Amino acid sequence: IQLTQSPSFLSASVGDRVTITCRASQGISSYLAWYHQKPGKAPNLLIYSASILQTGVPSRFSGSGSGTEFTLTISSLQPEDSATYYCQQLNSFPLTFGGGTKVEI
Amino acid sequence: EVQLVESGGGLVQPGGSLRLSCAAFGFTFSDHYMEWVRQTPGKGLEWVGRIRDKGHSYTTEYAASVKGRFTISRDDSKSSLYLQMNSLTVDDTAVYYCARRAIPTRGPFDLWGQGTMVTVSS
Repeated sequence: IQLTQSPSFLSASVGDRVTITCRASQGISSYLAWYHQKPGKAPNLLIYSASILQTGVPSRFSGSGSGTEFTLTISSLQPEDSATYYCQQLNSFPLTFGGGTKVEI
Repeated sequence: EVQLVESGGGLVQPGGSLRLSCAAFGFTFSDHYMEWVRQTPGKGLEWVGRIRDKGHSYTTEYAASVKGRFTISRDDSKSSLYLQMNSLTVDDTAVYYCARRAIPTRGPFDLWGQGTMVTVSS
């Protein structure tokens, strides 16, 4: 299953609402997770099951979607949100990741 | 502290072998499926493989790109995960992460190690 993220890069200002899209090449129900990764660090889980916020993740992050189209929204962008964001499908093997969206503040 | 710590990365020649280790701390390692994920320099993430728990007979899954060359194993008594990599090629050069799969069915990877760099070069 291929995951296509868009955009691949975005630049936004502090306080902006930001949306990243992840499209799956076939239906994956709600078995989708979102991670962010900062340079030199491991990925960090933000959202799972398409819309469930991982414990400890700020509430400005939210996820939605099912089937083949999913979105990650940051309601009010903060300086520490500068990172690359990846979606991942957990529906079937091989597990796959999207190509990433680099968010610049 | 709950964490995963990888080790064993380094420089290896094409055709060579390397064994990575991942030590788990602060949680019941035996309860979890465990994963390996790699990231090529400056590029995205690629899932490498999974090993299930004892209750699922420690069965494994692999990405097509490593199947037959890489072997995932675990030692629950040592809270450790391993990745044996054989017949390495330059395309295997990457940072290798171990990750814990969350317990719910088809759960995400909720804990990651810091990564260990593997460079395949002559």
